[in-house]
Amino acid sequence: AQSVSQHNHHVILSEAASLELGCNYSYGGTVNLFWYVQYPGQHLQLLLKYFSGDPLVKGIKGFEAEFIKSKFSFNLRKPSVQWSDTAEYFCAVNEGTGGFKTIFGAGTRLFVKA
Amino acid sequence: NAGVTQTPKFQVLKTGQSMTLQCAQDMNHEYMSWYRQDPGMGLRLIHYSVGAGITDQGEVPNGYNVSRSTTEDFPLRLLSAAPSQTSVYFCASTSLGREQFFGPGTRLTVL
Repeated sequence: AQSVSQHNHHVILSEAASLELGCNYSYGGTVNLFWYVQYPGQHLQLLLKYFSGDPLVKGIKGFEAEFIKSKFSFNLRKPSVQWSDTAEYFCAVNEGTGGFKTIFGAGTRLFVKA
Repeated sequence: NAGVTQTPKFQVLKTGQSMTLQCAQDMNHEYMSWYRQDPGMGLRLIHYSVGAGITDQGEVPNGYNVSRSTTEDFPLRLLSAAPSQTSVYFCASTSLGREQFFGPGTRLTVL
């Protein structure tokens, strides 16, 4: 069965600090990978996604993620965080070949100090 | 397009009561799913459907039923509510090669 692990449950950063959130998945086949963000009181929104091609994916609001197939990882990065990035971040995976069933990680709650 | 809509937004039940959470989407997506979100546990898949008339269990299906009579609607039924079902419930839809689109959520409390 697929599973998704996010290494950090809580992260506290100061504005302008760099961010890297870890995500590993367990599935041996082709996968589609996602990062979603949930701002306080809101529903999940897509940050970025990887289906195929360039393993370095750029998303909205300056976020990017790198797919490393050999490490089963899809880490999220941002060079300089802002107070408005305070939110919970979820990594998710589904099977790449026609799969719809999406499994989420437990989430990482990010707090950015102004 | 309204996207994915859910009703109600908030609900309080007593143990043993039943209720149905409604979910509808107007994007003609084949795939719909229900998740529950609990602190520290992320989103856990309850049930999903790959098309009208086809449903399957996710990670935590016990205590919930679903049906999919139309492409647009995917209601989630709690048969006999328990305090362990206190959670925030999200409905989502997608189509092949797309990300999930989420509804605004239903916050359920079972006393």
